[in-house]
Amino acid sequence: QKEVEQDPGPLSVPEGAIVSLNCTYSNSAFQYFMWYRQYSRKGPELLMYTYSSGNKEDGRFTAQVDKSSKYISLFIRDSQPSDSATYLCAMSAGTGGFKTIFGAGTRLFVKA
Amino acid sequence: GAVVSQHPSWVICKSGTSVKIECRSLDFQATTMFWYRQFPKQSLMLMATSNEGSKATYEQGVEKDKFLINHASLTLSTLTVTSAHPEDSSFYICSARWGPGNEQFFGPGTRLTVL
Repeated sequence: QKEVEQDPGPLSVPEGAIVSLNCTYSNSAFQYFMWYRQYSRKGPELLMYTYSSGNKEDGRFTAQVDKSSKYISLFIRDSQPSDSATYLCAMSAGTGGFKTIFGAGTRLFVKA
Repeated sequence: GAVVSQHPSWVICKSGTSVKIECRSLDFQATTMFWYRQFPKQSLMLMATSNEGSKATYEQGVEKDKFLINHASLTLSTLTVTSAHPEDSSFYICSARWGPGNEQFFGPGTRLTVL
């Protein structure tokens, strides 16, 4: 079993839809959770960074962490064609020397 | 802030030659830099972690003599693919981290094609 599971998709939605992207994990020691967006042939870009459980909102993006279920989500409101990209979740048990584990990424297509 | 550059953005070389890829943190000092490899439609595969002034730590299965990493300063790390072969063709991405935090800031990647 992988430490981090993420459905690779692709996920196709119409413009304006609310998108829900998810990851599950098995290591209960993970405390730091990140979401990256990667456009084709580009490096990943950090979108959201959260610590422990709870929600964090930034514009149209909301990151949610449920440590009891070992489940994290990224919600995108009012999705735009420019949101079409691969979204990678990532998590770590601590700072400093702790390794960051990445999910496989979910490919999202937002149709105009 | 937190901009990381990579050079070159793409390179084509003949089998047997060596290729050097540079990764620079432009507006911060990177205590740690990471090198990843990514195949089409697949996630990031961590190759090695390097701290300034010390030897890189390679992931299991990554040949350290094949992929030479040098982290000479707090703003520059280089990856040299030695005696490249077609199977080394891939997208190589670096990232940098400052301080003890977990956020990694990624470069734009380098596409290597070995003929």
